[in-house]
Formats: sequence, structure tokens, C-alpha cells
Amino acid sequence: DQQVKQNSPSLSVQEGRISILNCDYTNSMFDYFLWYKKYPAEGPTFLISISSIKDKNEDGRFTVFLNKSAKHLSLHIVPSQPGDSAVYFCAADPEVNQGGKLIFGQGTELSVKP
Amino acid sequence: KAGVTQTPRYLIKTRGQQVTLSCSPISGHRSVSWYQQTPGQGLQFLFEYFSETQRNKGNFPGRFSGRQFSNSRSEMNVSTLELGDSALYLCASSDGQPNEKLFFGSGTQLSVL
Repeated sequence: DQQVKQNSPSLSVQEGRISILNCDYTNSMFDYFLWYKKYPAEGPTFLISISSIKDKNEDGRFTVFLNKSAKHLSLHIVPSQPGDSAVYFCAADPEVNQGGKLIFGQGTELSVKP
Repeated sequence: KAGVTQTPRYLIKTRGQQVTLSCSPISGHRSVSWYQQTPGQGLQFLFEYFSETQRNKGNFPGRFSGRQFSNSRSEMNVSTLELGDSALYLCASSDGQPNEKLFFGSGTQLSVL
């Protein structure tokens, strides 16, 4: 049973336009969410996070939106650049009092075309 | 600080063999967690060690085991390898506190023939 879902396996966007990556979760107890980016042959690298007490967090070109009632979050990249082409994973922290464990979605492969 | 180091980078084994993967966390990090990545499945959580104790465990068979040493380095072992164990195995380290990001190594690509 997939508690974190990324329903779009791939997304193609033109350079300079907005990329929107979506993620849904099933457990309303999740209170912290993260986005990771992964290039081939490398480990995932942290991109941005958001706590459930917020509905938006912004870091440069990257903004994450959280809609708790819909159990949905999205990552916006504006403007998109060819170097953003990678697989993006959304993750949720399921434990209130422990750390070190994240539940990941299946990933969305973003391709930004020049 | 040096990042998370995983060895070896690539491994080829045959069915029925066993394998041990190694992970050195970022200096000072006490939590090490392991994930399996296969195409279309995302990253599946295997287990997490904190101060030499297994604190969390995912839904993998007992053939998958791990341990953590006093210097926080961790090893993961898979016994009686199956073809379906072919995957990228990723190790991540952190301070082990709630709501914090994990730092990942580059992974070990395991191929089972």
C-alpha cells in the first residue's frame, strides 16, 4: 500500500516555463514533507521541505505548496532550466518522535528541453 | 565534512550467494538508514539504525539484515540472493531527530544473475 504517491512518472517542460510536480499522501498524521532530486548514478539530494503548519515554502526557484485537506503537495520550479532534468521524489516523515525514516513516492522524471 | 560514502559502487552476484554493503555516514551523524531503489518503485525503506540499535524496520524479508558499529558506520547484508534483489541500495545519514533531512550516498548497484 503506497502511502505517498506520485502519479506522473514523467513530465516534459520547455526551458523558462514552470514545472509542476505533484504528490499525494494518504496518512493525515504525516507532518513533514520533503522533495529530493536525483541524477543518474548519484544519490538523492535534498531540495526543499515543508512542515504541516505551513502551506507554502519557497527557496529561490523552488516553491512547495501543501494542501492538508486534500492531502496533496506540489513542487513548482520557475523558471525551469535544463539542469533541472532529473528524477524528483516526494517524501513524508511518518514518525512523530523518531527520525531517520522517510516514506518516498515512486518519483517523477522531469525533462526540461532547451 | 565528507559526505556519505558507500562501498562498493557496483556488485555482481549470482543467485543464492550473500552480499555485504558498507556505509560510512557523515561525521557526527548517529542515524544510518538503508533504502532499496528499483525502477517504478521509488525508494523502499529497509531499516534504520541509531546509536548501534535498530530503531525502525521496513517490510522486507529476514534475508535483509544490518548492523551499526560504535563509530556509526553501518553494514547491510543480504543472504540467499534472488534475482529480484537486483537494485540500487542507498544509505542515508542524519542526526536522527524528527523532521530533518537525510543525506544520501551514491549507492551500491547490485546485480544478481
